[in-house]
Amino acid sequence: DTAVSQTPKYLVTQMGNDKSIKCEQNLGHDTMYWYKQDSKKFLKIMFSYNNKELIINETVPNRFSPKSPDKAHLNLHINSLELGDSAVYFCASSQLRGSPLHFGNGTRLTVT
Amino acid sequence: AQRVTQPEKLLSVFKGAPVELKCNYSYSGSPELFWYVQYSRQRLQLLLRHISRESIKGFTADLNKGETSFHLKKPFAQEEDSAMYYCALGETSGSRLTFGEGTQLTVNP
Repeated sequence: DTAVSQTPKYLVTQMGNDKSIKCEQNLGHDTMYWYKQDSKKFLKIMFSYNNKELIINETVPNRFSPKSPDKAHLNLHINSLELGDSAVYFCASSQLRGSPLHFGNGTRLTVT
Repeated sequence: AQRVTQPEKLLSVFKGAPVELKCNYSYSGSPELFWYVQYSRQRLQLLLRHISRESIKGFTADLNKGETSFHLKKPFAQEEDSAMYYCALGETSGSRLTFGEGTQLTVNP
């Protein structure tokens, strides 16, 4: 069973479009995250939710809006996509704050 | 503010040679440190955490608070060790995990 699953795996879209990435974890974890890995492989946290409550909101354009319908799901919606949004987006979860993260396979977003 | 530095973006060794991936951190509290590995086009996976003090796939890492370092070592590198390695620092009281910029390790035959 996949512990943290993201869909889609690949996403190619044009500038200006709106898209969503979904994430689900079946580990029973309370905390979920979104990370962005840029073209230089640098990983940066975007958001973190604990039991559906937003606890980390880094300096991310407000075109990015996370949504957590329940503690097993954390989706990422992106409005008005820009070329610079092209990256790999990783969802992750952890059992407790500060404990190791379990990552999804990533979603490779390409904006043309 | 917490910070993680991996000074080498690229590291290339030959199979059977020792390898050390450097990691230095800056944090005012009591640090919790991890090494994550990402094989080509795969998910990040936890390799080591300092509180476990264990060896995984032949890798070890010791926390040196005096030097604020958490270097990753393996005495004999294997080709399958080729991957991207990230050092990460966790807050003891929060959710934030700060990653270093990563070191791409290539083990040549």
